[in-house]
Amino acid sequence: TQTVSQSDAHVTVFEGDSVELRCNYSYGGSIYLSWYIQHHGRGLQFLLKYYSGNPVVQGVNGFEAEFSKSDSSFHLRKASVHWSDSAVYFCAASPSNMGYKLTFGTGTSLLVDP
Amino acid sequence: EAAVTQSPRNKVTVTGGNVTLSCRQTNSHNYMYWYRQDTGHGLRLIHYSYGAGNLQIGDVPDGYKATRTTQEDFFLLLELASPSQTSLYFCASSHRARDTQYFGPGTRLLVL
Repeated sequence: TQTVSQSDAHVTVFEGDSVELRCNYSYGGSIYLSWYIQHHGRGLQFLLKYYSGNPVVQGVNGFEAEFSKSDSSFHLRKASVHWSDSAVYFCAASPSNMGYKLTFGTGTSLLVDP
Repeated sequence: EAAVTQSPRNKVTVTGGNVTLSCRQTNSHNYMYWYRQDTGHGLRLIHYSYGAGNLQIGDVPDGYKATRTTQEDFFLLLELASPSQTSLYFCASSHRARDTQYFGPGTRLLVL
């Protein structure tokens, strides 16, 4: 079964800390990867994406993610979090051999203590 | 920014009931999607469409029909609702395949 895995269901950090949210996938071949954020009671909003080229991609609000083919990972990072970053973060993948369907991970809930 | 609206925002029905969830996007996107969100499962794709009159099956289509009447409007139909369909439903749109998806605010459905 081809999957997107987010191993941490919950992460808690203090404001100003750095954070890394992990995403691993099990697809082979070329792949399109993205991260979305969902604030409480809202729809998902796009953060960043990777398809090819520089494995480190920059997103909105200081987020970045790094693609690693050897580790089958696309981890999301932020150097200094703000309380407003508290939300659920979803990793998503669309392998090139699966048409246009985007498969989401189960999400990581980030809580930033002020 | 793309605007995706959904209606109703909340819906309660009984088992066996007939429910229609509506989605409209106003940015002339070609692709539209219906997802359901459940704790422990993340978002799962029900159906999607790449244009008016087109329908593609997603990953969890059983019990759901969908229809794309215009480029703007995409409907999700539950003709015999069951308690297992109690969920938070999101509509999304994108200009092209694998482009950024823009999500609506969601519809919370409760099937008693």
